[in-house]
Amino acid sequence: DAMVIQNPRYQVTQFGKPVTLSCSQTLNHNVMYWYQQKSSQAPKLLFHYYDKDFNNEADTPDNFQSRRPNTSFCFLDIRSPGLGDAAMYLCATSRGTGFSSSNQPQHFGDGTRLSIL
Amino acid sequence: AQSVTQPDIHITVSEGASLELRCNYSYGATPYLFWYVQSPGQGLQLLLKYFSGDTLVQGIKGFEAEFKRSQSSFNLRKPSVHWSDAAEYFCAVGGTSNTGKLIFGQGTTLQVKP
Repeated sequence: DAMVIQNPRYQVTQFGKPVTLSCSQTLNHNVMYWYQQKSSQAPKLLFHYYDKDFNNEADTPDNFQSRRPNTSFCFLDIRSPGLGDAAMYLCATSRGTGFSSSNQPQHFGDGTRLSIL
Repeated sequence: AQSVTQPDIHITVSEGASLELRCNYSYGATPYLFWYVQSPGQGLQLLLKYFSGDTLVQGIKGFEAEFKRSQSSFNLRKPSVHWSDAAEYFCAVGGTSNTGKLIFGQGTTLQVKP
C-alpha cells in the first residue's frame, strides 16, 4: 500500500545533541510537510517543500532545518534540541496540482516521538 | 484571518449512542474542509472532506459531516459510536494557499463509555 513512513517511531536524544528524523513516501506526492505536535494540541506546521522549493513558517525556530534530497525522502534536522522540543513530529504529503493544492488532503505518517534527556 | 474552532475540548458518550462533534470556521471564500482522526501514538487519518456539491458528505468508519455555509459549520456525526472510535478528532480548513496548507482546530477528545 502507498504510504508515508517515519523512522524511527521513538527517538531519544540528549539536550543540545543534533538529531535527524526521516520521512519517506511511496505516494509520489510532490508536497511534503513537517509538523510538530505537543500533547493535547493540534499539529503545528514547521515547514513544507513544494517540489524542491522550501517554505518555512514565520515562527519556526532557526534550530529546525529540513532537507529533501529527492521526491521520496524528507528529513527534519534539529541542530541543538532543547527540552521544549520534546514532541511528536509528523510528516505529511499531498499532491500539488500547480494551480491549487488546497483541496488535496494530506496523508500523514505515524510520527516520531522525540524525547530529550 | 482564517481560523477553525472546535468548541468542545472533550466529549464523553456511551457506546452505541449518537455523536456530533462541532466545528466552526472563519474563512472568506469557499473553504475546503476536512476531518481527521488521531488515535493515541498515531498519525492523523483522513475521515472525510468537503470541497463542493452535496453538503452532506460521507466518510470512512461510518462518519458523516454536514457543511452549513449560513452557520460556518462543518459538524461531524456518527449514528452509533463504537469503543474503537475513542480518539482525538481534528477539523481543518484548506484553501488558504496553493500549497495545501491546512489550518487545524484545537481538537476534540472523544471518550467512549462501555
